Amino acid sequence: EAGVVQSPRYKIIEKKQPVAFWCNPISGHNTLYWYRQNLGQGPELLIRYENEEAVDDSQLPKDRFSAERLKGVDSTLKIQPAELGDSAVYLCASIQSVRGTEAFFGQGTRLTVV
Amino acid sequence: GQSLEQPSEVTAVEGAIVQINCTYQTSGFYGLSWYQQHDGGAPTFLSYNALDGLEETGRFSSFLSRSDSYGYLLLQELQMKDSASYFCAGANNRKLIWGLGTSLAVNP
Repeated sequence: EAGVVQSPRYKIIEKKQPVAFWCNPISGHNTLYWYRQNLGQGPELLIRYENEEAVDDSQLPKDRFSAERLKGVDSTLKIQPAELGDSAVYLCASIQSVRGTEAFFGQGTRLTVV
Repeated sequence: GQSLEQPSEVTAVEGAIVQINCTYQTSGFYGLSWYQQHDGGAPTFLSYNALDGLEETGRFSSFLSRSDSYGYLLLQELQMKDSASYFCAGANNRKLIWGLGTSLAVNP
């Protein structure tokens, strides 16, 4: 069974440019998370989906970040415009339900904003 | 508030035993998970405690005490490949809440 797939693995963009990340969770996993992780830090939740509904986006900087999960499967996270401080690894994770015992992570997208 | 605290760094030698502690303050909490993350890699699941007590999985064990709001990850027979960051994460009815991670360095 394929794990959580993210693309691209790496992205370098100039500030003020837009960028998008894509995530395909494990089949059948209803809950999908987007996290941001800075070097030496733990994952920071950006948004959580239950199926196609964003149930927790309190930490998403909505002035520049947006996300969607069409049909409750794949998800995209977009930043427009990107700022230097957005440089980080963006991780997608899925779990069968919020009470599930194991979250599966994709390899992440390492974003560098120059 | 909701938070988990763990030591920032731990150093040990090959073959030794190390314990990484995690104390938490979370409301509606129903379990504690542990994840391992190597440099440049994604977090991978190690263990989950829903009930008080010890869970053993090979060289790794995890413990939870709800009354003390405390848990730990125990790594035995340390190997060089165990050098990584270890995160505790608390689950409540809305989300996973992560500690800042413990960087474990295993030396020869």
